Amino acid sequence: SAVISQKPSRDICQRGTSLTIQCQVDSQVTMMFWYRQQPGQSLTLIATANQGSEATYESGFVIDKFPISRPNLTFSTLTVSNMSPEDSSIYLCSVQENYNSPLHFGNGTRLTVT
Amino acid sequence: RKEVEQDPGPFNVPEGATVAFNCTYSNSASQSFFWYRQDCRKEPKLLMSVYSSGNEDGRFTAQLNRASQYISLLIRDSKLSDSATYLCVVNGGGTSYGKLTFGQGTILTVHP
Repeated sequence: SAVISQKPSRDICQRGTSLTIQCQVDSQVTMMFWYRQQPGQSLTLIATANQGSEATYESGFVIDKFPISRPNLTFSTLTVSNMSPEDSSIYLCSVQENYNSPLHFGNGTRLTVT
Repeated sequence: RKEVEQDPGPFNVPEGATVAFNCTYSNSASQSFFWYRQDCRKEPKLLMSVYSSGNEDGRFTAQLNRASQYISLLIRDSKLSDSATYLCVVNGGGTSYGKLTFGQGTILTVHP
């Protein structure tokens, strides 16, 4: 399966600031996604990162808060904007070969907002 | 009803025990099913896919019951290293085709 590198692995940020998380894959993949896992919770899909077009956001997530870039088939970024303590979470990049394939995850970014 | 529902546990079992987890899903058109393992402070990792005929990988057996809309994971001869959270994942059908939904996870602790 693809090797997915995510950075930073962790960060502590002040409220009101923004953080951009990078996801690099070692091979071209069609489908890339960004998930969030809040403390003690399961994973929630934020959006699908579409190459060359705007991301597709899930209910409860908006582009102004979580802008996503996908300039090519191996790279994506997720920005968490104007952060508040409620944004403290693990953010995970993932890829999928096709609709019936499993997801593979990057190592995650552990974000703490103070 | 939640799209994917698991018993959160925790399950505390001794080494060598057999333990089974169940997971129910609400969308009868769901196409594919997976079990993931997540260690503390780590990303989820695929444990096994679940096929209609059932499948086995060493000490792990996964089964799918489409009529009752549940999947199961059986772990035989538990090891200390099996301690983790086990996530049931369902790929939705119909209008949710392609979207993977995660259960809340079942915590397993294997003790000496």
